Amino acid sequence: GNSVTQMEGPVTLSEEAFLTINCTYTATGYPSLFWYVQYPGEGLQLLLKATKADDKGSNKGFEATYRKETTSFHLEKGSVQVSDSAVYFCALSDRNTGNQFYFGTGTSLTVIP
Amino acid sequence: DSGVTQTPKHLITATGQRVTLRCSPRSGDLSVYWYQQSLDQGLQFLIQYYNGEERAKGNILERFSAQQFPDLHSELNLSSLELGDSALYFCASQTSGDSTDTQYFGPGTRLTVL
Repeated sequence: GNSVTQMEGPVTLSEEAFLTINCTYTATGYPSLFWYVQYPGEGLQLLLKATKADDKGSNKGFEATYRKETTSFHLEKGSVQVSDSAVYFCALSDRNTGNQFYFGTGTSLTVIP
Repeated sequence: DSGVTQTPKHLITATGQRVTLRCSPRSGDLSVYWYQQSLDQGLQFLIQYYNGEERAKGNILERFSAQQFPDLHSELNLSSLELGDSALYFCASQTSGDSTDTQYFGPGTRLTVL
């Protein structure tokens, strides 16, 4: 079946540090991959997505590359800011399983000045 | 603001009761998803509707049901409530219902069962 495994948190970084949040997936078909972000008290917002192998999604300095050979979609940012503090969710959607979305457990990031 | 609205924002009720959560999708979006977010279980997919028809079912209990109306708004009905049903309930809408399409999430309804 389909599943998403992401790095356990919480993660605490200093401002301007490099961020990596690992995400690996299991899918029966050819999924689309997403990163969503949830700020305190809010719903999830799309951060970036990639719909086929080797695609790179990017937004607001965050990047993730769809790696089929390692079934991974790791999130990276070169220099984090305090405003990046949030919970990050990796997700996949697979046409072969009715377009249902599967989310990881979320990784909480706190950036300190 | 995602354009997805959910009401009410907060709901406090007692065990055994029944509640209805409402979701209005973004203008033009045909697909609505419901999710439950709790501390111990994370974000769980419950059910998806597309243009009024049920399209996919996830970990939805038999005590829960949903529907999507002709104007495309959706309601999630939770009955015989238990303490463990306390959670954040999100709906998300999507234009096409395709796996490549972004889901836009509402702000959520926080349900507390006492």
